[in-house]
Amino acid sequence: DAKTTQPTSMDCAEGRAANLPCNHSTISGNEYVYWYRQIHSQGPQYIIHGLKNNETNEMASLIITEDRKSSTLILPHATLRDTAVYYCIVRGGSSNTGKLIFGQGTTLQVKP
Amino acid sequence: DAGVTQSPTHLIKTRGQQVTLRCSPKSGHDTVSWYQQALGQGPQFIFQYYEEEERQRGNFPDRFSGHQFPNYSSELNVNALLLGDSALYLCASSLRSQGASIQYFGAGTRLSVL
Repeated sequence: DAKTTQPTSMDCAEGRAANLPCNHSTISGNEYVYWYRQIHSQGPQYIIHGLKNNETNEMASLIITEDRKSSTLILPHATLRDTAVYYCIVRGGSSNTGKLIFGQGTTLQVKP
Repeated sequence: DAGVTQSPTHLIKTRGQQVTLRCSPKSGHDTVSWYQQALGQGPQFIFQYYEEEERQRGNFPDRFSGHQFPNYSSELNVNALLLGDSALYLCASSLRSQGASIQYFGAGTRLSVL
């Protein structure tokens, strides 16, 4: 079973920031939070990952709460091409290199 | 630098047949994982190969088997195909490390079983 909880769907206006939440209340100290997205019928695309600190790359920012029980993926200026299913995945420790467990994810619809 | 490549992109088979799907990992990666994604569902882990051995396996029957070659490429074989095997099959490659190990996915092979 997935170790994360995400809203089923969200809408965002084009050009605005999209903030996608994820709860992972049972996360262990050595587990990472990974975010992937999947545009219809394509393979999942890696976005970003983090352990404790906030992270930023060219695609997005990841904000992890101090207690590490939740995180937020931020797409700073959403475009129509960001419409996709976004998956938050927790993995690490002895399973560091093992399988990714995908839940249902959040379907983000970016609207003009 | 090519990413993860999978072949073929689409495949149509009939029940009872056998199929082989292929995956070339991203340059520098040594681990290959396979996933099955049914329509409307998230990807489900099938198995993972590292150093030419199956290292981890998901809840899939023995009809699903695989292989990894010395050049790190991999094959997924499915025997005695069932209608329920129709799905998108995804290959992901990664590099084993002590820290975060990011899996990068290919575009997938769409298998239809008639």
